[in-house]
Amino acid sequence: SAVISQKPSRDICQRGTSLTIQCQVDSQVTMMFWYRQQPGQSLTLIATANQGSEATYESGFVIDKFPISRPNLTFSTLTVSNMSPEDSSIYLCSGSRGRNEKLFFGSGTQLSVL
Amino acid sequence: AQSVAQPEDQVNVAEGNPLTVKCTYSVSGNPYLFWYVQYPNRGLQFLLKYITGDNLVKGSYGFEAEFNKSQTSFHLKKPSALVSDSALYFCAVRDGGNNFNKFYFGSGTKLNVKP
Repeated sequence: SAVISQKPSRDICQRGTSLTIQCQVDSQVTMMFWYRQQPGQSLTLIATANQGSEATYESGFVIDKFPISRPNLTFSTLTVSNMSPEDSSIYLCSGSRGRNEKLFFGSGTQLSVL
Repeated sequence: AQSVAQPEDQVNVAEGNPLTVKCTYSVSGNPYLFWYVQYPNRGLQFLLKYITGDNLVKGSYGFEAEFNKSQTSFHLKKPSALVSDSALYFCAVRDGGNNFNKFYFGSGTKLNVKP
C-alpha cells in the first residue's frame, strides 16, 4: 500500500495563529481526505481534498477555517486558521485508490493550541 | 445513513487468550467493512476488510473478522492475544452508494492485553 508522509508530526501554537499541515503520498491516489481526531474520540471527516478544485467539506467544517489545497494526485495541505484551544486535536491525512480500496493514513499531526 | 457501533470502550484479556472486539453496523445497501488499529501517537493502520465473498476474513498480525449479515456484525478476533496487540481498534463502514468515498468510524475500543 502507499505510504503517506505528514508533517509536522506535532506543534504547539498560539491562539489566533494558523498552521499548515502537509501530506505527501509516495504514489498516486484517487482520493485524499482530512480527518480530525479529538482526544479520546473517533475520527471525524473534515473534507475530501479534490485535485485542482475546491475541497468538499462536511457539515460543521468551512473553507475559511480549514482551507485545503490539492495541486496534484500525491500532495495536499490543510490549514487550521485563526486557531483556538478548541482546535487542539490530531489531524490525519488519508488516501484511497478506489471504490473498494482501503483508506491508508499518515501518522497524524498532534496540534496543541495555547 | 451508514453507521457503526462499538459497544465496548475497553476490552481486557490475558496474553495467550482469545480476544474479540465487537462491531455492529447499519448500512443501506451492501456493507463495505474495515478494521483499523491505532498505536499511541500514530496514524491508523489497516488490518482487514470485507467487501464480498467469504464471511471469515483474515488480516494482518493474525487478526480475523467474521461478517454476519443476519446479526449485522463484524467482530474482530484473534485466537491468542499478545501484549503488543494492546492498542485502540476502530471498525469502519464505507458508504456503498453514491457517497462511496466516505468512511464512517466507530467510537473505538481500547484493547488491553496483560502479561
